[in-house]
Amino acid sequence: AQSVTQPDIHITVSEGASLELRCNYSYGATPYLFWYVQSPGQGLQLLLKYFSGDTLVQGIKGFEAEFKRSQSSFNLRKPSVHWSDAAEYFCALSLRGYQKVTFGIGTKLQVIP
Amino acid sequence: DVKVTQSSRYLVKRTGEKVFLECVQDMDHENMFWYRQDPGLGLRLIYFSYDVKMKEKGDIPEGYSVSREKKERFSLILESASTNQTSMYLCASRGMVGNQPQHFGDGTRLSIL
Repeated sequence: AQSVTQPDIHITVSEGASLELRCNYSYGATPYLFWYVQSPGQGLQLLLKYFSGDTLVQGIKGFEAEFKRSQSSFNLRKPSVHWSDAAEYFCALSLRGYQKVTFGIGTKLQVIP
Repeated sequence: DVKVTQSSRYLVKRTGEKVFLECVQDMDHENMFWYRQDPGLGLRLIYFSYDVKMKEKGDIPEGYSVSREKKERFSLILESASTNQTSMYLCASRGMVGNQPQHFGDGTRLSIL
């Protein structure tokens, strides 16, 4: 069965610093990959998605992610973090031809001044 | 823009009560999902529906049922609420094409006393 691993449960970064959130997946073929963000008390909002083609994907709020097939990874990056980026981030995948989505357990980002 | 609306943001019920959580989407999506979210466990799929009156069990269906009488509405039912069902419940919808992301409601925080 497919799975998504987010190895970091909590990450703390200083405002203005760069950010990288890790995501690894387990599946034999290339799945559809997503990153979502959840602000406190809210639902999940899509940041970006990867289906095929260019392995560097741009999303909203200045985020980007890079798909690396050889490492089964889809890491999320931002060059300069803002205090408003403090939230929980979820990596997710779905398989081609199936409707279910599998989520990682999330990474909670804290931003310090 | 897709809108997924969950009927209640906060709900408090008593043990043994029958509880209904309602979700409505306005994008004519075929697929709808119910998740529960607990700290350290991420999002776990309870049920999903791929068409009116069609449903499929997710990873944790025990103690829950669902109803989808109309395409836009997907209800989650706790047959006899128990304290271990205290959680955040998230509804999502998704179009049929596999590379479409899910769209989430703001969640219902349910407390069972």
